[in-house]
Amino acid sequence: DTEVTQTPKHLVMGMTNKKSLKCEQHMGHRAMYWYKQKAKKPPELMFVYSYEKLSINESVPSRFSPECPNSSLLNLHLHALQPEDSALYLCASSQELPGNTIYFGEGSWLTVV
Amino acid sequence: AQSVAQPEDQVNVAEGNPLTVKCTYSVSGNPYLFWYVQYPNRGLQFLLKYITGDNLVKGSYGFEAEFNKSQTSFHLKKPSALVSDSALYFCAVRVLYGNNRLAFGKGNQVVVIP
Repeated sequence: DTEVTQTPKHLVMGMTNKKSLKCEQHMGHRAMYWYKQKAKKPPELMFVYSYEKLSINESVPSRFSPECPNSSLLNLHLHALQPEDSALYLCASSQELPGNTIYFGEGSWLTVV
Repeated sequence: AQSVAQPEDQVNVAEGNPLTVKCTYSVSGNPYLFWYVQYPNRGLQFLLKYITGDNLVKGSYGFEAEFNKSQTSFHLKKPSALVSDSALYFCAVRVLYGNNRLAFGKGNQVVVIP
């Protein structure tokens, strides 16, 4: 099973709201990722967790706050977002070694109004 | 720095004809190369990868890719395209060990014409 599950599939939030995106995998992967993707563009890496510790933050604004409660779960907390943050947010997971495949979820479509 | 390039923006092909989506890479050391497909309003789906070994890699949905070290290419191919193959295709290279990231190409929109 190569499934990464993301919820919700769609989210509309106001600029003053606080919301969270959730991601779950049961493949025993120890690396988990958040990507942001605009329409017809490649995904852009936001954060990487390795063994439940944040290992990469690609200079993401603090209005995005990641959390890895355990090895199977990854959250992305959203607060005071801007309309330009509207995008598809993709969660992914993999084993650590570079030859291992990174598997993506179906994504959460976020609209900031 | 590890990078890949997808030189075309869109590939149009008639149904039943061979499909090729081009990718060239620039890496130091051995490349770990991947192809992903994204259908409309969906996430990225893994198609195939090259790590080492046989230069011809077979993947999902009848796709294959040929690793060519002399031309630094990793083109994706399918012998007979289907309308359902219409999607956005991304080539990617895994950055070196200790730095968990994929460097993506810009993507190619494939349109299969019935």
